[in-house]
Amino acid sequence: AQSVSQHNHHVILSEAASLELGCNYSYGGTVNLFWYVQYPGQHLQLLLKYFSGDPLVKGIKGFEAEFIKSKFSFNLRKPSVQWSDTAEYFCAVKDTGGFKTIFGAGTRLFVKA
Amino acid sequence: NAGVMQNPRHLVRRRGQEARLRCSPMKGHSHVYWYRQLPEEGLKFMVYLQKENIIDESGMPKERFSAEFPKEGPSILRIQQVVRGDSAAYFCASSRTSGGKIVETQYFGPGTRLLVL
Repeated sequence: AQSVSQHNHHVILSEAASLELGCNYSYGGTVNLFWYVQYPGQHLQLLLKYFSGDPLVKGIKGFEAEFIKSKFSFNLRKPSVQWSDTAEYFCAVKDTGGFKTIFGAGTRLFVKA
Repeated sequence: NAGVMQNPRHLVRRRGQEARLRCSPMKGHSHVYWYRQLPEEGLKFMVYLQKENIIDESGMPKERFSAEFPKEGPSILRIQQVVRGDSAAYFCASSRTSGGKIVETQYFGPGTRLLVL
């Protein structure tokens, strides 16, 4: 069965620090990969997605993620975080042949001003 | 921006009552997905519907839960005889079809937070 593992449940950073949130999935087939963000009091928004092609994907607000197929990973990165990046981040995986999207448990990021 | 709409945003029910959660997809979207988020957990897939059809309900509990997406009107997630363990946030997402294929990106609603007393 598919599963998604996010390595850290809580991350605390100071402004301008670099961010990397880990995401690993277990599935042997072809997948679509997503990172969603949920700001306090708001609904989930798509940050970026990978379907095919260049494994380095750029998203909104300066975020990027790299798909490493051999490691079944899709880590999210941002070189310099801002206080406004405080939110919960969810990695998600979908089998291209199916309908279900499997979400990780989420990582809560708190950025200190 | 007419995004995915869900109502109510908050719902309080006593044990044994029924809960009805509504989801209106984005304009032009014909695919609806329901997810449940328990405290400190990620979203768990429940069901995927197209207009008038349930396509994949493998994440739905076998009893008390049902979903529909009628030809007209919103999608409804119905929970009968609610229990305390049903307390959670329920999110709806929608996606569209393009060129005969499902566009994979899902757009999420704000969720309904159900509290069972």
